[in-house]
This record gives sequence, structure tokens and C-alpha cells, in this order.
Amino acid sequence: EDQVTQSPEALRLQEGESSSLNCSYTVSGLRGLFWYRQDPGKGPEFLFTLYSAGEEKEKERLKATLTKKESFLHITAPKPEDSATYLCAVYTNAGKSTFGDGTTLTVKP
Amino acid sequence: DTGVSQDPRHKITKRGQNVTFRCDPISEHNRLYWYRQTLGQGPEFLTYFQNEAQLEKSRLLSDRFSAERPKGSFSTLEIQRTEQGDSAMYLCASSLENLEAFFGQGTRLTVV
Repeated sequence: EDQVTQSPEALRLQEGESSSLNCSYTVSGLRGLFWYRQDPGKGPEFLFTLYSAGEEKEKERLKATLTKKESFLHITAPKPEDSATYLCAVYTNAGKSTFGDGTTLTVKP
Repeated sequence: DTGVSQDPRHKITKRGQNVTFRCDPISEHNRLYWYRQTLGQGPEFLTYFQNEAQLEKSRLLSDRFSAERPKGSFSTLEIQRTEQGDSAMYLCASSLENLEAFFGQGTRLTVV
């Protein structure tokens, strides 16, 4: 059975304090790994897709990387508006995505 | 707005009643997914369609749940004889085959 584990569960940062979120996975037939951002009471918002080990994607203050066993979401100099829950999901040959439980990021001004 | 649309946004129902939710996907997307999410958890897969065919249904999904996607366009998710444990956010997403899915804003169900 596909498993996705995200750590830490919660992360509190001061504005400008860079950090990383981890997503480790155990799957068969990985086709891709997705990162989403979710604000309270809303649906997840797509951020990145990573397809193979060594791949990196960047968007503003966010950079996602992928290895054979885990993915990292690096947040550089975060701002309060980056506060949200960040979800990762693995997409497999079964044609569906399995999500982790997310990391809730709070950035204090 | 060309995103995924879900209706209603909120639903309060009494235990034992039936409820139906609707999802309108992004028009060119051939895949449509339903997920359920409870507080502090990630979205949990329920079922998905490719065009009008339902290709997979989670084994966690009880017989009280049924989904349809007639004509491969919008989809409905029906829950019969609702229970308090059905209270959750029901999320719909759509995608082109094998690509990232885009989510709607969800339907928040409260069973009282």
C-alpha cells in the first residue's frame, strides 16, 4: 500500500527564517509527486509536479526537490502570506494520488 | 471562471437523510476525482472517473456512497442514510490524464 509521511506536522517560523518541509514516500510505480498549498476552508492549490529523482522546481520563495525516497519543499525568506498547510501527494500507475497529512506552516511577522 | 466548481459549498443535514453534491470539472479535463478530507488530515481518495467510466473506487467507501459522471462532464456524489462520521469536506478535482489535478473549493458536510 502506498504511504506518504510529511514532517514536521507543524512549523512556526519568523518572517525571513528559511526552512524545509519533508515528504517521504513508499510507493510502487511512482509516476509523479505533487505539492499543493491549502488555506483553511479551501481546496488545495497546485504548486509543483516532480517526475524524477534529481528534479527541482521553483516558484517565488518555494523550491521543491525530489529523491528516490523523499521530496523537500524549501522555503526561502518566508513571509506571513506563506502561512498555510502544504500537502504532498504521490501519483502512481494506479491512476490516483495518495496524500500525506500535510505540514501546517505559520510565519510570524 | 474556468476552474473546478462544486455545489453546494456547505450542507447541514440530519442523520439518516440523503445528500447529493455536484462537481463541474475544468472543461477539457477527462479525469475527475472525489476525495474526502477531515480536520488535520490530508485528502483521502474516494473514487475517480476517466470520461464517463468509473475506474476505481476506494475499498474504504461504503455502499452508501455512489458517484456518477454521465456523459463525461459533471459528476455527482450521493451519500445515502448519512451518519455523523460522514461529516467532512468533500473535494472534487479534475485533470488531464496522468497530469496534476486541480481542486475545487469543496463541499463542507455537517451531519447533525
